[in-house]
Order: sequence, then C-alpha cells, then structure tokens
Amino acid sequence: DTAVSQTPKYLVTQMGNDKSIKCEQNLGHDTMYWYKQDSKKFLKIMFSYNNKELIINETVPNRFSPKSPDKAHLNLHINSLELGDSAVYFCASSRSGLAGAVTGELFFGEGSRLTVL
Amino acid sequence: DAKTTQPTSMDCAEGRAANLPCNHSTISGNEYVYWYRQIHSQGPQYIIHGLKNNETNEMASLIITEDRKSSTLILPHATLRDTAVYYCIVRVGKNSGGSNYKLTFGKGTLLTVNP
Repeated sequence: DTAVSQTPKYLVTQMGNDKSIKCEQNLGHDTMYWYKQDSKKFLKIMFSYNNKELIINETVPNRFSPKSPDKAHLNLHINSLELGDSAVYFCASSRSGLAGAVTGELFFGEGSRLTVL
Repeated sequence: DAKTTQPTSMDCAEGRAANLPCNHSTISGNEYVYWYRQIHSQGPQYIIHGLKNNETNEMASLIITEDRKSSTLILPHATLRDTAVYYCIVRVGKNSGGSNYKLTFGKGTLLTVNP
C-alpha cells in the first residue's frame, strides 16, 4: 500500500495550459504539503494544509491553487503554466502540523515531474 | 529555523561506516535535528531525529555534540542503495507553540557508496 500517492507521475504540457496534480495519503495524517524541487535540486515548500485549512503559503504565485477536499487529499492546480514551472512537485503528509505533535516527520510521495514546453 | 552546513559530497566504500557531518552552530534550545535522504528520482525519506541525546534506529545513528552545535549521521554498514543526498535540518519540535512543521531543506550531502 502506497502511503502518499501522487498522480500523474509525469506531465508534459504547453505553456499557458492549466493542469492539476493530485495527492492522496492513507496514513491518517491531518497535515499535507506541497514541495517544489527545481532543476538545481533545491526542495522548497509551497503550501501546507492542516485539517483542510491553509497554514503555509510561501509566496507562491496565485496561479497555483491548492485544494484540500478532505484531510486525506491535497490537490494542486496550476493555471497559465510557464516554463519556470517545470519541476518535480512532491506531496507530503505528517501526523500534525501544529504544537502537540509527537514527532512531525514528513512522509513524501514519489513526485510528479512537470515539464512545460 | 537554524541554518545548517554540510559538505557537498562524500564517498564511502560499501560495507564501511558512512559518517555524515552537519554543523548547526545557531541551533536553539527547542530545535531538533532531523535527517532525511533523497535517493535519485524518489521522494525524500525520513531517517532519524534527535534533540540532545544520541539516537539509533534501524536505519542509522545520530550523534549530537554536547553543545548541540554539530551532529553526525552514521550509517554503520553502507550499501550501494544508500547512495543518496542526505539532508540535515533543524527545526522547532513538538512544544513549539504553534509551529507549522515547515521543513526547510538545504543543499544536503551527496553520499556515493562505491563497490
């Protein structure tokens, strides 16, 4: 059983298109994240949701809109794709993002490689 | 979160211990040391974490100096599958009073295990 699963794994699209990446976790966690890893391999947080509420937004362009329909899902929708959006996007989850969590380690998905042409 | 400094790359012979250093001289009293690794084309994987005491699990050992300004991740018997980028991260822990559990990844150390 995959703990954190993302779809699609690969996505190739044209500039200006709109695309979505889906993420699901079956770990019972209540906090989920989106990270972006660019061509230089830097891994940067984009968003974090706790119990479906946005708690981190790292000055990401508003073309990126995360949506969390429930605690187990965090989808990422990207409008008007640009060349610079090409990257690997990682979804992650943790047991709790707020004070009181036991350990806080993150469980990552396998990544979704987005290529914008 | 405190900044960390790691060597860019290291090599290790298969079967030998791999010792990966990390400096975190500005660490605060309530900040934990976390280690993750990222094997090529995979998502990062949690390895171990600690506050003050040395820690050991099935994957690795974490040695934290008494002043907490540096730490070492030890892979006791490195295998080819341990080749990965290893990230040392410090961040506030469970009693942080509102921490959002944001992990900030640096450049990490590329560990190459050679046959």
